[in-house]
Amino acid sequence: QKEVEQNSGPLSVPEGAIASLNCTYSDRGSQSFFWYRQYSGKSPELIMFIYSNGDKEDGRFTAQLNKASQYVSLLIRDSQPSDSATYLCAVSGSARQLTFGSGTQLTVLP
Amino acid sequence: GEEVAQTPKHLVRGEGQKAKLYCAPIKGHSYVFWYQQVLKNEFKFLISFQNENVFDETGMPKERFSAKCLPNSPCSLEIQATKLEDSAVYFCASSQASGGDQPQHFGDGTRLSIL
Repeated sequence: QKEVEQNSGPLSVPEGAIASLNCTYSDRGSQSFFWYRQYSGKSPELIMFIYSNGDKEDGRFTAQLNKASQYVSLLIRDSQPSDSATYLCAVSGSARQLTFGSGTQLTVLP
Repeated sequence: GEEVAQTPKHLVRGEGQKAKLYCAPIKGHSYVFWYQQVLKNEFKFLISFQNENVFDETGMPKERFSAKCLPNSPCSLEIQATKLEDSAVYFCASSQASGGDQPQHFGDGTRLSIL
């Protein structure tokens, strides 16, 4: 079992819809949770980070964390074609290094 | 600077040659991380530094890989006797030290091609 699992996708949503991206992790000692966006051929770009159970909102993005279920999600509201990218879930613990999932490829259709 | 700066953008080496990659972290960031991205999305952690000290090197293939972060110089990742399997994009990331686990910000990466 991989340490960080994501829906492999690809995920397609129409423009203006809500895109829902999910991630589970195996290490209960994980402390910090991150969502990165990576366009093809580019570097990962930080979208959201969350440390505590519950929801965290930033503009069109909402991150949700449930440590009991070892589950992290990212909701993208009013999806735009420019949101089309691979979304990477990353988890870290006391060692600070990031453990990444395999990514979910999102396509927003105009 | 305000961005993690990695050089070169692309490096081509023949199998068995040496490769050296550089990374300048964001000014004021104390932690530097190196990751290897093979295939499209598989990231592998290599090594991290807290200032010039190795923080965690559990991901490093020690027989051929080495890394340094010296004061007033870019950090470096060196691969001796490169193999075809070393072909990948190598990302450097940096983060602040204070306030718990700060987010890591990534450079643009160095694409290493071993022929």
